[in-house]
Formats: sequence, structure tokens, C-alpha cells
Amino acid sequence: EIVLTQSPGTLSMSPGERATLSCRASQTIRSSYLAWYQQKPGQAPRLLIYGASSKATGIPDRFSGSGSGTDFTLSISRLEPEDFAVYYCQQYGVSPRTFGQGTKVEIK
Amino acid sequence: QPRLQESGPRLVRPSETLSLICTVSGGSISSKTQYWGWIRQSPGKGLEWIGSVFYTGMDYYNPSFNSRVSMAVDTSRSQFSLKVKSVTAADTAIYYCVRQGLYDSDGYVSVWGQGTLVIVSP
Repeated sequence: EIVLTQSPGTLSMSPGERATLSCRASQTIRSSYLAWYQQKPGQAPRLLIYGASSKATGIPDRFSGSGSGTDFTLSISRLEPEDFAVYYCQQYGVSPRTFGQGTKVEIK
Repeated sequence: QPRLQESGPRLVRPSETLSLICTVSGGSISSKTQYWGWIRQSPGKGLEWIGSVFYTGMDYYNPSFNSRVSMAVDTSRSQFSLKVKSVTAADTAIYYCVRQGLYDSDGYVSVWGQGTLVIVSP
């Protein structure tokens, strides 16, 4: 199965700063079938990005995804208070679908 | 977007079978372009995809569950189900029912249920 490694484990940031989250795959993810999800405490994850760079419906422009092959990035251009959460990447090109272990974006 | 709601026992004894149901509202469970699935989340293993089922009953599962898992769809009730046999404490987790696309190109999870915590304990 494809192992996804997210870094860093925790990102301490201030509102208004730019956040960059990394997701590295153990093998090439075909056709960039990679998604990003946001999870807040006590809630289910929410889809942010699919196809490595396409935004889901209703996702603000400050979120963007990039990458291909084995290296992918989620960027948040200017952190808003509601963006402090845990972010997960997932590959859906190969079964079993797998998730990264998550990056927590916390307030500095 | 449809709404998904999990239901079932919150406590399961070791070696018994965990059974959950997901009720779909605001959308058709008989969609020809969607799979219905289950994902669980535990502190030890993070998010783990369990498997998915089509409205016809066609299914596929994560091999790591070693054939302990089965899923089914009841279109008359707009529900789909999960069974995990021979549970241990390692099966304690929040279980989410989800919707994902039929094809690899849209195989991401677009809709999540709120999740239900299942504890395996004597």
C-alpha cells in the first residue's frame, strides 16, 4: 500500500501568516489522485482539495494545493482563526486508499 | 449534498461482531456514480479506509482487515451497513460513513457522516 508521510507534525503559526504543509508518498500517485481534508475538534474531516490542486465547493481562495508524483503541498496564504485545525492528505488512485498521519496547525 | 447518519451500538464485547448502519437522506443511495463507504479514526492508527460498497452490492475492502469486514446496501431503507467480526480493543475507534466517487478520478470522500464512537470492551 502507499504510505503517506506528512510534515511537519505540528505547525505553530500566527493569524495572517502563510502556512505550507507537505505530503510525501512512498510511490508515485498516478494522475495526482491526492486529496486534502481539514478536521476540527469533534468534527468529521471536510474535503478541501482533490486532484492535488482542485478546490472543493465553497473552499476559500486562500487554500491551494500543488504537486505531482510523490510530493504534494497544501498552502494557506493567510491564516484565518478558523483555519487552525488538523490537515490530512489522502491518495485515492490505488486500493487501499490511504491517509497521512496529519499536520496540526496551531496558534503560536 | 446528501446527509449521512451513523447508528448502532456504542459498546461491543471482544470477539463479537460490530454492526453499524448509515442512513442516507437528501440524496439517492442508488446513485450510479457514487460508492458508499466506511472510514475509521483511532489515536493509534489515524484515519483508516475500511471499504466501499455500490448500490448493487458490489464491494471492495481494505485487505488489512483480513476478511473480517462485510458491507451491504438496503436501497428500500436508503441505508448501508458495516459488520466487523471478531473485534478486539484495536477496533475501538470513531467510525464514519462516507460517500466517494465511483471512478478513481473522483474517488475522494466528498461527504462524511458525523461519526460514531465504538468502544470494544468486556
